[in-house]
Formats: sequence, C-alpha cells, structure tokens
Amino acid sequence: SYVLTQPPSVSVAPGKTARITCGGIDIGTKLVHWYQQKPGQAPALVMYEDRGRPSGIPERFSGSNSGSMATLTISRVEAGDEADYYCQVWDTTSENYVFGAGTKVTVL
Amino acid sequence: QVQLVESGGGVVQPGTSLRLSCAASGFSFSSFGMLWVRQAPGKGLEWVAVIWFDGTKTYYADSVKGRFTISRDNSKKTVYLQMNSLRAEDTAVYFCARLYGGNYFDSWGQGSLVTVSS
Repeated sequence: SYVLTQPPSVSVAPGKTARITCGGIDIGTKLVHWYQQKPGQAPALVMYEDRGRPSGIPERFSGSNSGSMATLTISRVEAGDEADYYCQVWDTTSENYVFGAGTKVTVL
Repeated sequence: QVQLVESGGGVVQPGTSLRLSCAASGFSFSSFGMLWVRQAPGKGLEWVAVIWFDGTKTYYADSVKGRFTISRDNSKKTVYLQMNSLRAEDTAVYFCARLYGGNYFDSWGQGSLVTVSS
C-alpha cells in the first residue's frame, strides 16, 4: 500500500522556522492533511487539504504539496508547538487512509 | 461543540472479543462518516476502519480485515467497533474520529485503551 515517509525528528530554536516533510510517490496529486499530537492527548487537525488551516490554528502554520513532497511549516516556533506531527492521505488504490510514521518536533 | 466519547476498552485475553463504542454529540451525526484510529504504546497512528455516513460503505486496514467490524446506529448517534480474535498486537489506544469531506479527520475522541494479554 501507499507509503508516507517522515523524518523521525526535527529540532528548532524558539522563534525559528520548523519544516516537517512528508514524502510519497506523486504525493502532489493527493490531498495531504496534518495532525499534531501532544503527550497524553488525542491528535488534532492542524492542516487540511495541503494548505487549509482549521479554525483556531495560528497563521504561523502553513502547508504545501508538490511533486513527491508535502511540507508543514511552522514559523516563529514556540515552546507550545513541541509535539508529534503526522501527515495523512487517502490512497484510492488500496482504499485505505494512510498515516506517516510521525515527526517529533523538539523546541530547543 | 463536537464531542466524541469512547467506551468499552479494557484488558482481554488473546482470541477473545471486545466491542468499543463512540457516542457523538454536538453535530448532525447522520451526515458524517466516522472512523477508528489506533495507537500502540509508544508508536504512531494507524487507521483501522471507516464507515460512510449512511452505513452503506465500510473499509478496513489489512491488519484487521476479517476480524474487526465497524457499524453505526444513527438513531443513537453512536459508532461501534466489534473486535474479534484479538491479538497481542491489537493492544493500543483506540480513537474514534469524525470524517470530513471523505478525506480528513476533523474531530477526535480522547481514546479508549485496549490491552490484549494473557
């Protein structure tokens, strides 16, 4: 089935920019969604359909998707952004929803 | 506001069955697909099953196909996950979530822990 590849971890200093990648074959032809999960909590949607921001998500969060890579960008990173981030797509071939393995974002 | 509350988790022996429930409130339940996602201890998210808004279509991850069944009762605003022939590798927190636009999961419950152990 379809595979999404994420880096296991990303470290960033406060105030800097974090970029979390999600790779997949022709992922640019799919709609990519992103979830944030803090320890002990349920996941929460932070980006939908590549670049849509749900109500309540700061403008510091942005998304892009092209070719073989989708990216979630967090600008002006804050301590509260420290979490695991997962990308997700619907794979029409397997009729499965697919998650990436997740990226742990650490704020230094 | 949207609220999803899971119940039914617990400790069970391998080979036995368990049924999870997810009670929904705060939205028009019968208009949305619903799904289950699980997370094994210390691991990432794994989609398990989805059911269309009217119950006419269901899809399953290969890891649970033939063992798990997702269903819903729109009159009770509840979605279920019947889990049979449970294995140790099914041990996880099970989250229910609302499916939006057929593509993404915009609201999540807090999860229900299922432990399969002898």
